Amino acid sequence: RKEVEQDPGPFNVPEGATVAFNCTYSNSASQSFFWYRQDCRKEPKLLMSVYSSGNEDGRFTAQLNRASQYISLLIRDSKLSDSATYLCVVTGSNAGNMLTFGGGTRLMVKP
Amino acid sequence: GAVVSQHPSRVICKSGTSVKIECRSLDFQATTMFWYRQFPKQSLMLMATSNEGSKATYEQGVEKDKFLINHASLTLSTLTVTSAHPEDSSFYICSASGQGGSTDTQYFGPGTRLTVL
Repeated sequence: RKEVEQDPGPFNVPEGATVAFNCTYSNSASQSFFWYRQDCRKEPKLLMSVYSSGNEDGRFTAQLNRASQYISLLIRDSKLSDSATYLCVVTGSNAGNMLTFGGGTRLMVKP
Repeated sequence: GAVVSQHPSRVICKSGTSVKIECRSLDFQATTMFWYRQFPKQSLMLMATSNEGSKATYEQGVEKDKFLINHASLTLSTLTVTSAHPEDSSFYICSASGQGGSTDTQYFGPGTRLTVL
């Protein structure tokens, strides 16, 4: 079983739609959680951190459920520019802030 | 702030040659640098972690004699792919964390696309 699992997609949605991605992680001792965005042939860029209390940044809302070991990302009012691969990232309980990446979920927003 | 650069951005080389990739933190001191590899349609896989002034820690399955990592200063780490073969063709990305940026955040370089003919 992978440490961080995501549905690879692609999710094809029209502009303006709301779309949600989930991610599950296997290490219950994981400490920190993030969503990164990666455009084709580019490096990942931090989208937002994820907290148990949930956090929102504009059209993006992230939630963490430690009991079920899953993380979600909700995107409202999708824009064409949201088309990218969204990576769920977890840091473990080991030394250092080593990141473990999920395989990514590809989102395609269509006009 | 917290900018990381990589050089070169793209390299094409013949099989058997060695390729050096540089990773620099431009505006902060990177006490730790990470090297990742990403094959097409796959996620980033951590290859090794390096702390300034000490030997790199390699992930299982990554040959330390093939992927030489040097982190000689707080702003520079290099990855040398020795005797590269076509199966080493990949997207190599470094990241850095440390003083000046959030110690819990890794800042990624733009990546180096290696093609071995």
